[in-house]
Amino acid sequence: GAVVSQHPSRVICKSGTSVKIECRSLDFQATTMFWYRQFPKQSLMLMATSNEGSKATYEQGVEKDKFLINHASLTLSTLTVTSAHPEDSSFYICSARDPLAGVDTGELFFGEGSRLTVL
Amino acid sequence: LAKTTQPISMDSYEGQEVNITCSHNNIATNDYITWYQQFPSQGPRFIIQGYKTKVTNEVASLFIPADRKSSTLSLPRVSLSDTAVYYCLVGSSGTYKYIFGTGTRLKVLA
Repeated sequence: GAVVSQHPSRVICKSGTSVKIECRSLDFQATTMFWYRQFPKQSLMLMATSNEGSKATYEQGVEKDKFLINHASLTLSTLTVTSAHPEDSSFYICSARDPLAGVDTGELFFGEGSRLTVL
Repeated sequence: LAKTTQPISMDSYEGQEVNITCSHNNIATNDYITWYQQFPSQGPRFIIQGYKTKVTNEVASLFIPADRKSSTLSLPRVSLSDTAVYYCLVGSSGTYKYIFGTGTRLKVLA
C-alpha cells in the first residue's frame, strides 16, 4: 500500500528556534497533504491542508505565520514551526491520499508522526 | 463534514470479540466509513473501510446498517497488542479534510 514517511521522528529544540518537519509520499504523488497535531491523550487536530504549488489552507485558530507549510513538489510537504515555544511541543502527523489508488474512497495514508519537544 | 461519535473507552479481555460502534447521523450519500488504529507515538493505521452492509478483511469486520447512520467495527479474538485508540472517519473523494472525533481507547487485559 501507499507509504507516507515523516522526518525527523523526534526533535528537541530550544525555545525561539525554528524546526522543519518533512512529509514525503514514497510511492505515489500527492497533490494534497494534511497536517495534524496531537497532544497527549487527545485526538488528532487538523491544522492545515497543504496543496502542491499553492498556498496552504489553515484551520481556524492556527497561525499561518507560526506554522509555515510548503508543498513544493508532488511528493514533499514541509511544516516549519517558527520561533518555537514550549507550548508548541506536540506530536505532528501528516497524511496524504493516493489519487491513483483504485476507487477513490477517501482513504488517507498517515505518516509515522514527528514528536517535537521545545525546551 | 460528517461528525462522528464513539465511546471514549472500552476494556476487554484477551480472546474476546470487541465491537466498537460509531454514530455518524449526517453521513452523506458519497461518504465511505473508514476505521483507523493508532498506537502511542505513531500515526494512524488503516484497518478497514466500507460503504454499506458488511466488509471483512484479515483483521476486522465492519457492519453498516441500511441507513448508514452508524457503523460497528468488530475485532475478533483480541490480544494485548490490540490495545490502541480506534477512530472512525467518514468522508469521500473530494472530501479528505477529516475531522477526528475522540476515538475509542481500547484496553485489552490479560
